[in-house]
Amino acid sequence: DAGVTQSPTHLIKTRGQQVTLRCSPKSGHDTVSWYQQALGQGPQFIFQYYEEEERQRGNFPDRFSGHQFPNYSSELNVNALLLGDSALYLCASSLLLAKNIQYFGAGTRLSVL
Amino acid sequence: AQSVAQPEDQVNVAEGNPLTVKCTYSVSGNPYLFWYVQYPNRGLQFLLKYITGDNLVKGSYGFEAEFNKSQTSFHLKKPSALVSDSALYFCAVRDSYGNNRLAFGKGNQVVVIP
Repeated sequence: DAGVTQSPTHLIKTRGQQVTLRCSPKSGHDTVSWYQQALGQGPQFIFQYYEEEERQRGNFPDRFSGHQFPNYSSELNVNALLLGDSALYLCASSLLLAKNIQYFGAGTRLSVL
Repeated sequence: AQSVAQPEDQVNVAEGNPLTVKCTYSVSGNPYLFWYVQYPNRGLQFLLKYITGDNLVKGSYGFEAEFNKSQTSFHLKKPSALVSDSALYFCAVRDSYGNNRLAFGKGNQVVVIP
């Protein structure tokens, strides 16, 4: 049973570019959450998708957007990249209607130059 | 809004000695509490959770945590630390109202000295 998988593992972009990160949830999970982990910090909640809709959003600008597909996989898009967007982006999957654990992928390391 | 404080940046412990990593939280209503561990260049691995029931929760790899409602704490413990326990440890909290987002502390680097 595959866990949460994310792609790519590493990405280098320049300021102003756009980036798309991908996540496949753990088998049987219906909810995907995205977190940003800056160097030396704990993960910060970006948003959560369930039934192909954004259900909750953290304190991130509209440059951060996402999508969930019918197979529950998800994408995180960041437009107009800033140097401060450099971070590890973590995807977590879970079952929404359960007091359940969020399982995390290995993350995508984004470097903005 | 929920929040977590992990007051120590780094915890150093000798191999074989007890390990404690401290966590206090703030949340509306009853808390759901979690500990995760992160190894270099890896994602977060789940260790244990407290939802309800016994205040002492046992988890993976010999770790346990004690929930203390009056002190709003959820300290992680291990009776005998191993060198392989050296990693970054995160405490996280969510509320019980259906808000499924996790709020994380800044993490504690644990260094187990051989």
